[in-house]
Amino acid sequence: EAQVTQNPRYLITVTGKKLTVTCSQNMNHEYMSWYRQDPGLGLRQIYYSMNVEVTDKGDVPEGYKVSRKEKRNFPLILESPSPNQTSLYFCASSTNRGSGNTQYFGPGTRLTVL
Amino acid sequence: GEDVEQSLFLSVREGDSSVINCTYTDSSSTYLYWYKQEPGAGLQLLTYIFSNMDMKQDQRLTVLLNKKDKHLSLRIADTQTGDSAIYFCAESLSGYSTLTFGKGTMLLVSP
Repeated sequence: EAQVTQNPRYLITVTGKKLTVTCSQNMNHEYMSWYRQDPGLGLRQIYYSMNVEVTDKGDVPEGYKVSRKEKRNFPLILESPSPNQTSLYFCASSTNRGSGNTQYFGPGTRLTVL
Repeated sequence: GEDVEQSLFLSVREGDSSVINCTYTDSSSTYLYWYKQEPGAGLQLLTYIFSNMDMKQDQRLTVLLNKKDKHLSLRIADTQTGDSAIYFCAESLSGYSTLTFGKGTMLLVSP
């Protein structure tokens, strides 16, 4: 089954404790992206990757890091989480080929930073 | 920069038609999308339309695009309670560029 998986689905942590949210897709997609969703703000892009070893900042990259060492994985790293990073995070992937840019979304990771 | 605007809330009765509207600012937008987010779930692509099209129909869904006014709408015929969700309009400049989302319209369908 074609899917995007994220782990963990829920996480409560404390300020300053490094964490990683994993994202994996099994569709051989080149493009992967991280979004955060906040009430009243919709989805905002954090980082994206057009292919392996190619990453770029989105609209709200501050406080986040990503890596793309393999095509299927695109982890989101919070080196020193802060309460303003409490949010719902979505990973998405799509192919760079063809038309339509159909992005497939993961189920989301709800992060609370105390 | 790109901006996508949607009304925040729509309430309809079961069986009625729902129309969710969206406006965008970038005339270079090539693809326009509608995504659905059910409670506690990720986003699901409903449909998309190329900028050279005026209309696209897919079962109960009809997308209308007025490129001159940069206005996109999603019409859901015979709305059901299972259609209650948040609907996001999004646009991109090319087939594989970043999506810019609106803030979402919460559709509430009452029996």
